[in-house]
Amino acid sequence: DTGVSQDPRHKITKRGQNVTFRCDPISEHNRLYWYRQTLGQGPEFLTYFQNEAQLEKSRLLSDRFSAERPKGSFSTLEIQRTEQGDSAMYLCASSHLGRDHNEQFFGPGTRLTVL
Amino acid sequence: GENVEQHPSTLSVQEGDSAVIKCTYSDSASNYFPWYKQELGKRPQLIIDIRSNVGEKKDQRIAVTLNKTAKHFSLHITETQPEDSAVYFCAASHSGGSNYKLTFGKGTLLTVNP
Repeated sequence: DTGVSQDPRHKITKRGQNVTFRCDPISEHNRLYWYRQTLGQGPEFLTYFQNEAQLEKSRLLSDRFSAERPKGSFSTLEIQRTEQGDSAMYLCASSHLGRDHNEQFFGPGTRLTVL
Repeated sequence: GENVEQHPSTLSVQEGDSAVIKCTYSDSASNYFPWYKQELGKRPQLIIDIRSNVGEKKDQRIAVTLNKTAKHFSLHITETQPEDSAVYFCAASHSGGSNYKLTFGKGTLLTVNP
């Protein structure tokens, strides 16, 4: 499967714990996005990387959230001191700079449940 | 920032009928408008997109129209089939800016009754 992959697919954690998610984009894609989707809503933008540079962060991304893309390939999203309001589907998408501009392809998501 | 409104929130049609979903956007700089289909528990899948230099695009039973002046765009599905049942999201972004982030509507749950 050469699409976007995410791991884990599901994560249940207790409030206050830290969690980390991983996204592997399509191999030649240099842009990588994180979105969050709650029930009955469309995905909401969290942050964006072009290669290894994090170029924008949404106001939704509190200081408990941090994302990295150290070698311009896979990315991680960490949430520290999780809260119940963090429960959501975390989606990763990737696209290729210079080809079809902004066709973003999504991964299957990581569903986070904070108890 | 960009704001995308989507209507209706639910749409039920009979198999073979047409379905139309409408979206409006607020940022006149937006120039790329994709539509995603999301089945229950699955990832959003890009089904069609349109750029601001064209007014209409068609792909088999699916078409999208764009009115830049009115800042609205629509998805048209003809000859609907039960497998078209899903949540459909419209989105907008500004390609060519510093960020190509997508701003999504809240989605339309389409049900095609056999």
